Amino acid sequence: NAGVMQNPRHLVRRRGQEARLRCSPVKGHSHVYWYRQLPEEGLKFMVYLQKENIIDESGMPKERFSAEFPKEGPSILRIQQVVRGDSAAYFCASSPDLEGEKLFFGSGTQLSVL
Amino acid sequence: GQQVMQIPQYQHVQEGEDFTTYCNSSTTLSNIQWYKQRPGGHPVFLIQLVKSGEVKKQKRLTFQFGEAKKNSSLHITATQTTDVGTYFCAGRNQGGKLIFGQGTELSVKP
Repeated sequence: NAGVMQNPRHLVRRRGQEARLRCSPVKGHSHVYWYRQLPEEGLKFMVYLQKENIIDESGMPKERFSAEFPKEGPSILRIQQVVRGDSAAYFCASSPDLEGEKLFFGSGTQLSVL
Repeated sequence: GQQVMQIPQYQHVQEGEDFTTYCNSSTTLSNIQWYKQRPGGHPVFLIQLVKSGEVKKQKRLTFQFGEAKKNSSLHITATQTTDVGTYFCAGRNQGGKLIFGQGTELSVKP
């Protein structure tokens, strides 16, 4: 069984470009979470999505950041007009239908903004 | 908003010594989970505690959930080099959101 798949593993962008991070959850999981991690820091919640719905985006900046989890295909975290401060590891996690279940994390995407 | 505080931030121990990390929430939690992240890796689920005062063991690891469901601890007995990594607690609030603590980075000197 494939786990959570994130791609790309590493993404380099110049300031002002767009970054698109993809996440395919564990097969059958309908809950997806995005977290951001800076070096030697914890996991900062960004957004929680279910299929075609954003449930909680309270951790995501209002500008430049957006997330979606379409009916078909992976979840996408999109960062427009990236700045150096966006450089971080972005982890996606998924869980089964029931709330309260453990999270399965992907290997993360390391975003570097030059 | 809800905060989950974890201490210490770093812990350096000699192999064979014990290790404990503590987690405190500003609000009552419906459950608490613990994860381990190896250097360069991704968080991996260890355990979930749900009941007030619950204690669970996994070999040398002992997990506790406080009576008020606002704090938790992870204790490792006789650490080994394979225990190296960052341990995160994650509290789930009544709304279902999982909030992670800052993590405790454990290093073990052989």
